[in-house]
Amino acid sequence: DVKVTQSSRYLVKRTGEKVFLECVQDMDHENMFWYRQDPGLGLRLIYFSYDVKMKEKGDIPEGYSVSREKKERFSLILESASTNQTSMYLCASSFSQENEKLFFGSGTQLSVL
Amino acid sequence: GEDVEQSLFLSVREGDSSVINCTYTDSSSTYLYWYKQEPGAGLQLLTYIFSNMDMKQDQRLTVLLNKKDKHLSLRIADTQTGDSAIYFCAESHTGTASKLTFGTGTRLQVTL
Repeated sequence: DVKVTQSSRYLVKRTGEKVFLECVQDMDHENMFWYRQDPGLGLRLIYFSYDVKMKEKGDIPEGYSVSREKKERFSLILESASTNQTSMYLCASSFSQENEKLFFGSGTQLSVL
Repeated sequence: GEDVEQSLFLSVREGDSSVINCTYTDSSSTYLYWYKQEPGAGLQLLTYIFSNMDMKQDQRLTVLLNKKDKHLSLRIADTQTGDSAIYFCAESHTGTASKLTFGTGTRLQVTL
């Protein structure tokens, strides 16, 4: 089975801190994604990557950046955390651009105080 | 842009059927998906239907698609407590994972 692992289940950070959320997948998937999940809003795509060192903006990229130095790892970076970035962050991967079957990690609940 | 809507909450008794509904606005949707999120977990793909199909059945799950009304439903027969979760529908019209639009999610509560 595909495993998508997010490094932290819960994180508490202060406003203005730089925050790194890490995600690793073990099935050699080309595509990796970062979503945020908020009650009543569903999932919104922040960034995705279809290859090493490649990235594309999703629907809500403002305030975020990403890094994909290795195929298995995709990092989400909050350059200067703000309270409105308090959310559940979900990482996902898929085999290829044409394959929409997403495999999700269990999520990181980030609280920015 | 595309919009996918679901009701937020559904409560059913164990053993009854559950019907979770979803409406979408993009008439060119090609694939429609149902994902399940159990407490404390990420989403997992339950089933999907291609837009040229009206119905798909997979054990206790039945997916119905009314393309004219842009309405998708997921029926769970003989609902069990283990079915308690949030269910998301998602649609895509381009056949690429980066273009999935998710609904707001429906929380299903199964009572004894």
